[in-house]
Amino acid sequence: EIVMTQSPATLSVSPGERATLSCRASQSVTSNLAWYQQRPGQAPRLLIYGASTRATGIPARFSGSGSGTEFTLTISSLQSEDFAVYYCQQYNNWPPGTFGQGTQVEIK
Amino acid sequence: EVLLLESGGDLVQPGGSLRLSCAASGFTFSSYAMSWVRQAPGKGLEWVSGISGSGGNTYHADSVKGRVTISRDNSKNTLYLQMNSLRAEDTAVYYCAKLSGSTSYSRVDNWGQGTLVTVSS
Repeated sequence: EIVMTQSPATLSVSPGERATLSCRASQSVTSNLAWYQQRPGQAPRLLIYGASTRATGIPARFSGSGSGTEFTLTISSLQSEDFAVYYCQQYNNWPPGTFGQGTQVEIK
Repeated sequence: EVLLLESGGDLVQPGGSLRLSCAASGFTFSSYAMSWVRQAPGKGLEWVSGISGSGGNTYHADSVKGRVTISRDNSKNTLYLQMNSLRAEDTAVYYCAKLSGSTSYSRVDNWGQGTLVTVSS
């Protein structure tokens, strides 16, 4: 069974700064990796799929990279609305929808 | 616009049963796989179950296998989750999720707002 590990658990960043979030898979998921954002009290929303493709309506400050087992989500200049929890998810191996444990991006 | 409206969440005693429903609109329901994803209070996301667009293939996480059944009625554009032998650790918000393809090996494109299941005596 595949395991997704995100780091760090919490990231403290000042508005306008860059944030880099990591996600590691216990085995290769090729590029079948998605990132989701969840704001407090809201459902998650899709940010990135295929490891690097932005979903419809997602600002260009969000970018994804990686393949195989190592992935990165970068937020180039944090806005107030970006402070949230971010999850990675693989959809390549069993179980088909495994999520990482999440990274909380908080205001420094 | 894709809309997913969950219902059926409730307070139930340990060992009890519950059926969740998700009414879908805004897309060709039978063409897409669907999933249930849950989130325990203050915790992360956990994939629970998935079903192909036709309903012919279903998958369940080990944590719920044997106690939970996912199904769909494509004539009613509705997804279901039948939950039996409920435990305290099943307490969570349950999200209905529309996947990007016809199989469960797909990303989640759209999420419902969730329905709360509380298992407690």
